[in-house]
Amino acid sequence: SAVISQKPSRDICQRGTSLTIQCQVDSQVTMMFWYRQQPGQSLTLIATANQGSEATYESGFVIDKFPISRPNLTFSTLTVSNMSPEDSSIYLCSVVAEMGYEQYFGPGTRLTVT
Amino acid sequence: QKEVEQDPGPLSVPEGAIVSLNCTYSNSAFQYFMWYRQYSRKGPELLMYTYSSGNKEDGRFTAQVDKSSKYISLFIRDSQPSDSATYLCAMSASGSGYSTLTFGKGTMLLVSP
Repeated sequence: SAVISQKPSRDICQRGTSLTIQCQVDSQVTMMFWYRQQPGQSLTLIATANQGSEATYESGFVIDKFPISRPNLTFSTLTVSNMSPEDSSIYLCSVVAEMGYEQYFGPGTRLTVT
Repeated sequence: QKEVEQDPGPLSVPEGAIVSLNCTYSNSAFQYFMWYRQYSRKGPELLMYTYSSGNKEDGRFTAQVDKSSKYISLFIRDSQPSDSATYLCAMSASGSGYSTLTFGKGTMLLVSP
């Protein structure tokens, strides 16, 4: 399995600001995904981060709110823009390794918006 | 009806007990089934990955899939305090790495010494 790190591990942000979360993998991976995990809720897929092209967003998530970059096969960022308290959540990246099909998750970024 | 239903618990058991964790689902297209373990303040860790119906065993863990009933289970034998975590079921229609996973809400398990 791949080793995945996320920065920051946690943050407290003010309403109206933006936060960029980084996801770094120790090997090249085919697929990278961004999820949100809200208290008492299922893990929800935000988008698939595509290398070299625009991310593919799930229903209910838009690029203006959650812009994503993926400049290469080992790194991606998710920005949470114009934050409100409803964005308080854990944000997780996950990857599928080359020639694989199992998804592995990073440790998560715990975001609190005040 | 949600696509995947999972009792949130908490489920409290004494050390050494056999634990049964379950999920039901409504989408008959699901063919691939996973169990993840998530410790507090950590990311989910893949425990078991199974395809279609049947059983799969890995050490103290057994995953069981009954597609006719749309019901999956994870059994933990000889449970340990270190098994205390939230267990998430997940499923997809395709085994490809490009497929979307649908998760249950997770069941919190507490194993007391």
